[in-house]
Amino acid sequence: ETGVTQSPTHLIKTRGQQVTLRCSSQSGHNTVSWYQQALGQGPQFIFQYYREEENGRGNFPPRFSGLQFPNYSSELNVNALELDDSALYLCASSYASGQETQYFGPGTRLLVL
Amino acid sequence: GQQLNQSPQSMFIQEGEDVSMNCTSSSIFNTWLWYKQDPGEGPVLLIALYKAGELTSNGRLTAQFGITRKDSFLNISASIPSDVGIYFCAGQRGGSQGNLIFGKGTKLSVKP
Repeated sequence: ETGVTQSPTHLIKTRGQQVTLRCSSQSGHNTVSWYQQALGQGPQFIFQYYREEENGRGNFPPRFSGLQFPNYSSELNVNALELDDSALYLCASSYASGQETQYFGPGTRLLVL
Repeated sequence: GQQLNQSPQSMFIQEGEDVSMNCTSSSIFNTWLWYKQDPGEGPVLLIALYKAGELTSNGRLTAQFGITRKDSFLNISASIPSDVGIYFCAGQRGGSQGNLIFGKGTKLSVKP
């Protein structure tokens, strides 16, 4: 186990709704990255948070937003959900040190109907 | 989004066989990582490579960081049933580009 936890494990929403996913990083880690993994694909980078600020963003629209808290835990918020947002959402924590090996949580499975 | 070229896409193994898979990119990475993902789980780190030419082992797993920094391979020796799963390579540029770029995965299954 990596020590990275995510909640909830599963979620069902309808199109147009908003969702918040949560991640607790591994002890000693100060950076959290979020990824979206569609079925049969590799994870795609959404954004990364370091010291409570966004530190890099992938090709995702602004309705994907996030937060990092002083204890380094993080939230991913998605507004105006679309059917294509159905995926496994993974968070990974790391320690910003130059060799930032990322350790993943178990993910949140989101289904948008 | 960008993905690395990972091959083969899938393969069947018989217990005891050696397995090889590789990953290539059109651009340079400073770090290569190999993860394994079981159904319903997050990716688990197997091996991390930080220097071009580096060859690193983790039990029956061996991975190499290509000299050109544009490729990596993973070998599994004497496979066992619990090796079944999806293996992902990931490249990382580092610094302000700390995000991982993943391959599409290699699915390992047991020969019927």
